[in-house]
Amino acid sequence: DIQMTQSPSTLSASVGDRVTITCRASQSISSWLAWYQQKPGKAPKLLIYKASSLESGVPSRFSGSGSGTEFTLTISSLQPDDFASYYCQHYNSYPYSFGQGTKLEIK
Amino acid sequence: QLQLQESGPGLVKPSETLSLTCTVSGGSISSRNYYWGWIRQPPGKGLEWIGSIYYTGSTYSEPSLKSRLTISVDTSQKHFSLKMNSVTAADTAVYYCARGASPFLSYFDLWGQGTLVTVSS
Repeated sequence: DIQMTQSPSTLSASVGDRVTITCRASQSISSWLAWYQQKPGKAPKLLIYKASSLESGVPSRFSGSGSGTEFTLTISSLQPDDFASYYCQHYNSYPYSFGQGTKLEIK
Repeated sequence: QLQLQESGPGLVKPSETLSLTCTVSGGSISSRNYYWGWIRQPPGKGLEWIGSIYYTGSTYSEPSLKSRLTISVDTSQKHFSLKMNSVTAADTAVYYCARGASPFLSYFDLWGQGTLVTVSS
């Protein structure tokens, strides 16, 4: 089974900052990676699929990159609405797995 | 617009069976283009994929849960279901249903709002 490891677990940043979250897979998953945003008490929301494809309606300040085993989610200029938790998920094969999450906090 | 809604008991006793249903509205559960999935999240923790099902009934499950799971689909009723037997406190979580965005292997592009299931006597 493929394990997904995210870092950092917690990230403190300010409005306007550029932030990057990393997700590593225990083996190559090509580009079969998605990123989700989750706010407290809400369902996850898809941001990025196939490592770098932006879901319709998601602001362009979100971007994804990587392939193989290392991936990043970048927010180019943090907005107040972006403070939330973020998860990566591989869908290279069954069983799927998620990273443990990154909580983005206001500094 | 397609929507998913989970339903089922919010409280289940230890050793009993958890049963949830996800009703699909505003679209077809029988589409060849999608898989349907269950994901859970224990309080304060991360997301865990439970399993996925195609409209034909073909299923894939998390190996550590597979022996306790039954995932089924009823296309006439436009819903798919999750049954998990022999539950313990470790199964306490918010359970989400979601749509897999393509046949077979996929990310989840639409999610239900989630339902909290507590395992307690």
